[in-house]
Amino acid sequence: EAQVTQNPRYLITVTGKKLTVTCSQNMNHEYMSWYRQDPGLGLRQIYYSMNVEVTDKGDVPEGYKVSRKEKRNFPLILESPSPNQTSLYFCASSLRGQYNEQFFGPGTRLTVL
Amino acid sequence: GDSVTQMEGPVTLSEEAFLTINCTYTATGYPSLFWYVQYPGEGLQLLLKATKADDKGSNKGFEATYRKETTSFHLEKGSVQVSDSAVYFCASKTSYDKVIFGPGTSLSVIP
Repeated sequence: EAQVTQNPRYLITVTGKKLTVTCSQNMNHEYMSWYRQDPGLGLRQIYYSMNVEVTDKGDVPEGYKVSRKEKRNFPLILESPSPNQTSLYFCASSLRGQYNEQFFGPGTRLTVL
Repeated sequence: GDSVTQMEGPVTLSEEAFLTINCTYTATGYPSLFWYVQYPGEGLQLLLKATKADDKGSNKGFEATYRKETTSFHLEKGSVQVSDSAVYFCASKTSYDKVIFGPGTSLSVIP
């Protein structure tokens, strides 16, 4: 089954404790992206990747890191989480090109205390 | 810059009512247009899309037509069901893979 998986689905952590949210897709998509969703703010892009070893900042990259060492994986790293990073996070992937839709993971709800 | 605007809601309708969610876009080129739906507790999924002017996307009774002259892509459904309760996002995508989402419209359908 074609899908985007994220882990963990729920995470409660404390300020400053490094964490990684994993994202993996099995559709051989070149493009992958991370979003955060907050009430009243919609979806905001954090980072994206056009292909392996190619990453770029989205609209709200501060406090986040990403890497793309393999085509299927695109982990999101919070080196020193803060309470303002409490949010719902989505990973998405797609083929390159404007005609192609994005496929989204189920989301990771992160709470930073 | 490029943007997508849609009515934010929340929208509450009775079952079998007609639904319209307005969406307009600004873009320097000719983007593809999408409607995504997010059911409670889930990620977004594609509802329908249109890739050029006058294209009509349709799925699950929903329809939207790419109107270049009015830069719009309004979502419509003739008779909504309780199971259509969700958040609906309009989005554009350009030739350089930039995706812009609207703020989302929350729809509640009551029996």
